[in-house]
Amino acid sequence: KAGVTQTPRYLIKTRGQQVTLSCSPISGHRSVSWYQQTPGQGLQFLFEYFSETQRNKGNFPGRFSGRQFSNSRSEMNVSTLELGDSALYLCASSLEGRDYEQYFGPGTRLTVT
Amino acid sequence: ELKVEQNPLFLSMQEGKNYTIYCNYSTTSDRLYWYRQDPGKSLESLFVLLSNGAVKQEGRLMASLDTKARLSTLHITAAVHDLSATYFCAVLHSRAGTALIFGKGTTLSVSS
Repeated sequence: KAGVTQTPRYLIKTRGQQVTLSCSPISGHRSVSWYQQTPGQGLQFLFEYFSETQRNKGNFPGRFSGRQFSNSRSEMNVSTLELGDSALYLCASSLEGRDYEQYFGPGTRLTVT
Repeated sequence: ELKVEQNPLFLSMQEGKNYTIYCNYSTTSDRLYWYRQDPGKSLESLFVLLSNGAVKQEGRLMASLDTKARLSTLHITAAVHDLSATYFCAVLHSRAGTALIFGKGTTLSVSS
């Protein structure tokens, strides 16, 4: 069974640009969560989607947005990039009814210059 | 605001000795997670603890949960070099959903 996949794996962007990251959950999983990991702030929750609806949201500015499609794939978008957005972005998926198990993807390493 | 605190944040261990990592959280949570992360890698699930008094063991690692004290421990028995990594505990962000709030992580370094 394929795991959680994230694309792209590495990305370099310039301040002021925008970026879109993609996450494909494990087949059958309907819940997708996104996290930002930085050396200074650690792992921080961004948002969670379930059945195309945002179920929870962390404390991030409106520049960070996301969505989920009918096939459970999810995208997150960051507009007007700042240097501080440089981070490892992780997504995790879980199965409805057994949502105590969460599986993380390999992450997207975003560097903003 | 839900907070998760781990200590210590860094742990230099000697091979063969026993150590414990502590994870305190500020509000009730139905479950407690432990993850391992190797440098440059993603998170690997170690344990999910679902109830008060739950204890799970895998190899040299044993995790326990005391929901009344809002405390989980990760005990390492006879440390070996392969256990060098960063370990995170996490609790649910809310009762509705699966989003997690993580501690800052404990970086373990095992030397001979």
